Amino acid sequence: SQQGEEDPQALSIQEGENATMNCSYKTSINNLQWYRQNSGRGLVHLILIRSNEREKHSGRLRVTLDTSKKSSSLLITASRAADTASYFCATDRGAQKLVFGQGTRLTINP
Amino acid sequence: EPEVTQTPSHQVTQMGQEVILRCVPISNHLYFYWYRQILGQKVEFLVSFYNNEISEKSEIFDDQFSVERPDGSNFTLKIRSTKLEDSAMYFCASGTRGYNEQFFGPGTRLTVL
Repeated sequence: SQQGEEDPQALSIQEGENATMNCSYKTSINNLQWYRQNSGRGLVHLILIRSNEREKHSGRLRVTLDTSKKSSSLLITASRAADTASYFCATDRGAQKLVFGQGTRLTINP
Repeated sequence: EPEVTQTPSHQVTQMGQEVILRCVPISNHLYFYWYRQILGQKVEFLVSFYNNEISEKSEIFDDQFSVERPDGSNFTLKIRSTKLEDSAMYFCASGTRGYNEQFFGPGTRLTVL
């Protein structure tokens, strides 16, 4: 299947540190997106990276994409308590359906 | 900033009952989607809708499910006869042409008793 798989499944760091989450997928993709979900809440769109892009930045977020390894990473710099959430990658192959991974649960400790 | 809205936020129903989940997508979006997330599991695609018809559906989306865009703003998901295993968070999403960015609503938590 095309599914993304994130690792680690859970990550706990101190406030101010950087957090890196990884996503791997199995088939070729058109786009890869990262979403954040606070506990029991909706999905917030963070960033989209196209298959012909290698890196993208948005504020404290940096996303990389390595299509040869079928992997992506999300880096959150200078983490804050409010960054505590689950982070999901989602891929598509040009059709509209997004395929989500299991997510990484990030905890920022004050 | 425009956002997708969903109602109700929580719906409790008895097994076998019909439920309708409602969504108001972002106004200039043309593509509409439903996903669900069973507690503790990953988000799963149900259906996509464009130009007043279903463009893709998953195997979860069987004939108990239907979608409709009854007017210019609402997008609904109907489950005809709910089962216990339909208990989940249901997310509506919408998007434009282009790079398939999808923007999600806050979800409706459906509990089937």
